[in-house]
Formats: sequence, C-alpha cells, structure tokens
Amino acid sequence: GAVVSQHPSRVICKSGTSVKIECRSLDFQATTMFWYRQFPKQSLMLMATSNEGSKATYEQGVEKDKFLINHASLTLSTLTVTSAHPEDSSFYICSARAGTENEKLFFGSGTQLSVL
Amino acid sequence: DQQVKQNSPSLSVQEGRISILNCDYTNSMFDYFLWYKKYPAEGPTFLISISSIKDKNEDGRFTVFLNKSAKHLSLHIVPSQPGDSAVYFCAAIERGGADGLTFGKGTHLIIQP
Repeated sequence: GAVVSQHPSRVICKSGTSVKIECRSLDFQATTMFWYRQFPKQSLMLMATSNEGSKATYEQGVEKDKFLINHASLTLSTLTVTSAHPEDSSFYICSARAGTENEKLFFGSGTQLSVL
Repeated sequence: DQQVKQNSPSLSVQEGRISILNCDYTNSMFDYFLWYKKYPAEGPTFLISISSIKDKNEDGRFTVFLNKSAKHLSLHIVPSQPGDSAVYFCAAIERGGADGLTFGKGTHLIIQP
C-alpha cells in the first residue's frame, strides 16, 4: 500500500516554542492531506484539510494562526504548532489521499507532542 | 454530538474465539464505512471497508456487517489472534460530501492467550 512518512515521531518542547511536523507521501502524489489530533481515549479529530497550493481549510474550533499548515508540494505537508502550550500536548496524525478516493486514506505514524 | 459511536471502550477476547466490535452512526448521509487498526504510538492502518449498497464484506479473518436500517455496523475477527490486540476505529464518510472521515472513539481489543 501507499506509504506516508511523518516526522518527528516524538517531540518534547518548552512552552512558548514552535514545533514543526512533516508529513510526506513517499510513493504517490497527494493533492489532499488531512491533519488529525487525538487526545487519550478519544477519537481522531480532524483539524484541517490541506490542498496542495492553496490555503488549508480548518475545522470549527481549530485556531488557524496557532496551527499553521503548509502544503507546498504534492508530497509534503507541514503542521507548525506555534507558541505551544501544555494543552497542545497531543498525538498528531497526518493522512494523505491517494488519487480521488476520499475514503482510503493512508496515515502517517503520528507525532506525540509533549509541551512542558 | 458524536456522529460515529463505539460504545465499548475495551473488549477482551480469548485467543481463537470470535471478536465482535460494534459501531453505531447517526448521520444517514454516510454511505461508506471503514475500520482502522491502531497500535500504540503508531498511525492507524486501514483494515476493511464497506459500501452502503452492501451488507457484508469479507477479507480473510475480517468481516464487516452493515445494518443500514439500524445504522449499525460490526467488525468480526475470527479466529482472534494475539497480534489483533490493538485499538480499532470505526470511521464513516459521505462520499459525495466535502468532509473527511468521521471517527469513533475506538475500542481497545485485548486478545488473551
């Protein structure tokens, strides 16, 4: 199946710093990538939909100035958590859509963010 | 309001027996359903899916059943194996819509030897 690489897998940072998470589709072009967030024992919550070459579409309640998404190429999307706070600590997962099938998303391995 | 519900946070099944994971949904516009499996600290991996025009889809040890009238689907794993221990997420989507997948909270399946 298609491979999505997400990096870093784990990051610990101080409060107030910014963290960048990369999501790459390794063997296919992803016109659309999705960013999810998961709190412990909760479902995967969609944060934003990222389309190559255009601005991301954010879900209600997600601060676009805090969670900056860039999808500059067909194989790379980045999520930057700006001025991170402890409440931003969570598991962030990206997924990429191969082709036009919106249903069969391929997921990255996730990034565990811990903000001290 | 949660549109996809997995009411059992955890399920313990003996190795070799059948595991049945349940999922309910409220949005009648959903027409495609998927199950994902997730190990700790890893991203979810696609397991099996079913279209609303079917009521059953089978792939090896995994079978998904869909009851549209009840807005209910279930994932059957038989026989259950130790490697099946993971969190299973049910997800749904309206294929003609603009939204992404909607996930349930997941069920932690524990296969006991």
